[in-house]
Amino acid sequence: GAVVSQHPSWVICKSGTSVKIECRSLDFQATTMFWYRQFPKQSLMLMATSNEGSKATYEQGVEKDKFLINHASLTLSTLTVTSAHPEDSSFYICSAGRTGEGEKLFFGSGTQLSVL
Amino acid sequence: DAKTTQPPSMDCAEGRAANLPCNHSTISGNEYVYWYRQIHSQGPQYIIHGLKNNETNEMASLIITEDRKSSTLILPHATLRDTAVYYCIARANTGNQFYFGTGTSLTVIP
Repeated sequence: GAVVSQHPSWVICKSGTSVKIECRSLDFQATTMFWYRQFPKQSLMLMATSNEGSKATYEQGVEKDKFLINHASLTLSTLTVTSAHPEDSSFYICSAGRTGEGEKLFFGSGTQLSVL
Repeated sequence: DAKTTQPPSMDCAEGRAANLPCNHSTISGNEYVYWYRQIHSQGPQYIIHGLKNNETNEMASLIITEDRKSSTLILPHATLRDTAVYYCIARANTGNQFYFGTGTSLTVIP
């Protein structure tokens, strides 16, 4: 079946540094990918929709300059957390699916970010 | 996309059927009902989805009411590994955003 690969699984960084998370669709082309953030004991919150070849669409309240999204190819989207601070520590998850009505989304395994 | 409502938590005895309800009374005619589950610190796992008809696969069955305003996910023989948070989502097209509600935390009891 279709698989979405996310890397890295976990990352620890110092405050003020930037962290890049990769999301790949392994056996299908994804014109749209989605990025989520999840805090402990909470549901997944959609951050942005990543569109291949165009700018990402951010949900209300999500800082686009803080969370840079690049979707340069049909199989790769990246999320860069810029100038990370401890409050950015969270579980980040990407998802992608084949285009079409009724198609299912596949989710990556997630990235646990800890900012010291 | 239609908003969904689920009970916050449920318990089920191991080996018994787990029936997880979902209300989506504002669902549109072209919106599918999707079910995912999330085990702690992992990405959501696809379970099943449907539009109008009941669906069954190796993991579960999905029963959708005739008016499509609610559905039930059935895990026929729950195991301890089925303990997870289960999410019901209504969505029309893969290009549309996929919003998660609060889900149902299912605990399978030995």
